[in-house]
Amino acid sequence: DAKTTQPNSMESNEEEPVHLPCNHSTISGTDYIHWYRQLPSQGPEYVIHGLTSNVNNRMASLAIAEDRKSSTLILHRATLRDAAVYYCILIQGAQKLVFGQGTRLTINP
Amino acid sequence: DAGVIQSPRHEVTEMGQEVTLRCKPISGHDYLFWYRQTMMRGLELLIYFNNNVPIDDSGMPEDRFSAKMPNASFSTLKIQPSEPRDSAVYFCASSKWTGGTKPQHFGDGTRLSIL
Repeated sequence: DAKTTQPNSMESNEEEPVHLPCNHSTISGTDYIHWYRQLPSQGPEYVIHGLTSNVNNRMASLAIAEDRKSSTLILHRATLRDAAVYYCILIQGAQKLVFGQGTRLTINP
Repeated sequence: DAGVIQSPRHEVTEMGQEVTLRCKPISGHDYLFWYRQTMMRGLELLIYFNNNVPIDDSGMPEDRFSAKMPNASFSTLKIQPSEPRDSAVYFCASSKWTGGTKPQHFGDGTRLSIL
């Protein structure tokens, strides 16, 4: 399984944008980039995914580098409820998710 | 729509007892996954099924663990005999096959404590 690298933790302020980076230098052409988050005491929750182009949905935006070796999850206006562990995962064909340690995001009021 | 339903939410039992965790996937999903989460090891995939057939059980820690999916709407994860090191939160997830373009939907988990 292709590996991803994320910072262990990040901190931001409420109502400010947050950019969560992910490096995946060994990504293959058919790997999808998925982001999940896990709020305290809950199961992981899907956030967004992409292949080559940038993607937007109601929760976040995903910016994918042109060479696909990195991506950034963007929360446009963080709220306290966005405090969670964010996981960047590569999926190729098979449906299995391989979770790394993720980035623990703290939002300051 | 009902999401993935797991039961029980919490289970406390003594070492050596049999433990059965249950999962009802989202209707129409053809993949089902069992994960375990601990502080030390994070989230680990234990086993997953496609159309009720186990596809990959390489994450099952040892023979004390077994999982079944008798039909499309029900799966169990059984630990017999249980040990304190099995204490963890166990998540079930389901998804629909689309080659990686659809998300997995997770249940709320079962918090298992083995005394």
